[in-house]
Amino acid sequence: SAVISQKPSRDICQRGTSLTIQCQVDSQVTMMFWYRQQPGQSLTLIATANQGSEATYESGFVIDKFPISRPNLTFSTLTVSNMSPEDSSIYLCSVVGRASTDTQYFGPGTRLTVL
Amino acid sequence: KQEVTQIPAALSVPEGENLVLNCSFTDSAIYNLQWFRQDPGKGLTSLLLIQSSQREQTSGRLNASLDKSSGRSTLYIAASQPGDSATYLCAVSSSGYSTLTFGKGTMLLVSP
Repeated sequence: SAVISQKPSRDICQRGTSLTIQCQVDSQVTMMFWYRQQPGQSLTLIATANQGSEATYESGFVIDKFPISRPNLTFSTLTVSNMSPEDSSIYLCSVVGRASTDTQYFGPGTRLTVL
Repeated sequence: KQEVTQIPAALSVPEGENLVLNCSFTDSAIYNLQWFRQDPGKGLTSLLLIQSSQREQTSGRLNASLDKSSGRSTLYIAASQPGDSATYLCAVSSSGYSTLTFGKGTMLLVSP
């Protein structure tokens, strides 16, 4: 299994500012993902964080708004830029275990409120 | 595009009842299916993982079945307890190491 931590656990931010969320895994993993869960909704994939190269973004998400870094196999950051109230969500990182048949493990999430 | 639907959206039962949560998906070419539990304000906890070649998985009072050809999965919870109250999410992946497509979840409330 993989143990994932996220920082911060929650934050309240002002419109127009940016917040960087950190995701740390206790072991090296191949795949890391960032999801968003808007209030009352299910999880939506933002992007796949690729180690040593640019992230792969899903339709509707762009690098200028959600820049992602992944400097090594255990760490990634997601920045929510130029925030608006519509960005208020829970942001979760997840990883796939060592085997492709393994489960996905999720971090505890970062609850973001934008005023 | 894969779509995942969960029925019912919400369910309220008295303690001790057996219950079934349903999940359906539109594209049967899945790699695996997972059931997660999400508690309010918290992340997801994996409950059961079923590979596409499997028919069911069991863990304690939980049993998940998979009928890939018909695009359906069920999560059976036996002898429900108040501690089972949470939102249950179904998610499918199309290949190994791939992302998950989630349903909207079933919000379960088990009353004492």
